[in-house]
Amino acid sequence: SAVISQKPSRDICQRGTSLTIQCQVDSQVTMMFWYRQQPGQSLTLIATANQGSEATYESGFVIDKFPISRPNLTFSTLTVSNLSPEDSSIYLCSVEGGQENIQYFGAGTRLSVL
Amino acid sequence: DAKTTQPPSMDCAEGRAANLPCNHSTISGNEYVYWYRQIHSQGPQYIIHGLKNNETNEMASLIITEDRKSSTLILPHATLRDTAVYYCIFINQGGKLIFGQGTELSVKP
Repeated sequence: SAVISQKPSRDICQRGTSLTIQCQVDSQVTMMFWYRQQPGQSLTLIATANQGSEATYESGFVIDKFPISRPNLTFSTLTVSNLSPEDSSIYLCSVEGGQENIQYFGAGTRLSVL
Repeated sequence: DAKTTQPPSMDCAEGRAANLPCNHSTISGNEYVYWYRQIHSQGPQYIIHGLKNNETNEMASLIITEDRKSSTLILPHATLRDTAVYYCIFINQGGKLIFGQGTELSVKP
């Protein structure tokens, strides 16, 4: 399995600002994923981040709002830009562990926007 | 993508077996069934997965029907710490996990 560290674990931000979330893995992985979990809801995939290429975004998510970096095989960041209260959610990263597509998740970042 | 149907909630007495069903009638022949759980305020945790044979690990057992249209996750001796939302999931052609609403399991003393 992979060990994933996400920072920050939680934050409170003002409307109109941005938050960058970091995801660090203890081993090299090809595919990393970013999810959003709105209050009381299930997880929704935001984008897939592969090293050396631009992230692939799911329907309803755009790069201007959720820019992603993937500088190497152990690290990725997700920025949530121009925050509004509707962005208040838990944001999670996951990685594919290599064995039959098993994914492992970080603990998540709980974002509250005032 | 194959879709899954799970009951929204279930209760289980502590120490008893918890049997969580999942219907996946549109599953294709090469799609694995994955089970994850999410304990409150934590990230999802991988439990088990299978293709067509029953599987068992230290956490749970997975029973898949012969026609692969449904499966059951079994927690043999549920504890209070097993209270969580349990997701039955498939991975689509892009390698993406597609989460449904899951089953909220409450283990009661």
